[in-house]
Amino acid sequence: GAVVSQHPSWVICKSGTSVKIECRSLDFQATTMFWYRQFPKQSLMLMATSNEGSKATYEQGVEKDKFLINHASLTLSTLTVTSAHPEDSSFYICSARDEAGGTQYFGPGTRLTVT
Amino acid sequence: DAKTTQPTSMDCAEGRAANLPCNHSTISGNEYVYWYRQIHSQGPQYIIHGLKNNETNEMASLIITEDRKSSTLILPHATLRDTAVYYCIVRLRGNQFYFGTGTSLTVIP
Repeated sequence: GAVVSQHPSWVICKSGTSVKIECRSLDFQATTMFWYRQFPKQSLMLMATSNEGSKATYEQGVEKDKFLINHASLTLSTLTVTSAHPEDSSFYICSARDEAGGTQYFGPGTRLTVT
Repeated sequence: DAKTTQPTSMDCAEGRAANLPCNHSTISGNEYVYWYRQIHSQGPQYIIHGLKNNETNEMASLIITEDRKSSTLILPHATLRDTAVYYCIVRLRGNQFYFGTGTSLTVIP
């Protein structure tokens, strides 16, 4: 149990385009999901907290108009990177909080490359 | 939020127990200790968590000192597949995680 999926697993896009990444909790409901970004040889950096049915909460320094988050159901949150630039190339990881136990379970990550 | 301190890297011989320490001297009474690991280019994997009692599951054991200021994650029989970065996180239950740099564990054949 406690499986979180992400789609796509990797994506290459051109500078200026937008990319949507999906995060799904497959066998549990998640009122809260989290989005992280990880650059090579660095640790995970929390970008935002995604709450079902309400606006996401962004960490300091993360542009909410650039990283659009939608949490439309108890099993799906999406992150859209708008007007992507090469510096947005990174490994994006989501997690979903199991409301029963409070533990976070992570997705496998999405590798974004902006050319 | 309590801050954690972990060694940057550790080696362990295959088949031996891997003991990964974590210091969290500013932990508050209702903060949990969580352990995750990240194998290269994958999302973090949940290992175990605890509040004050020692915990054990099929993956590992978590030993928390009586004063809760430090803990040790024990992988009883390390295999090559246990090579990963191990993160110790101290948080209130359900709150967001802030990751430190973790411990890079290398299991040596």
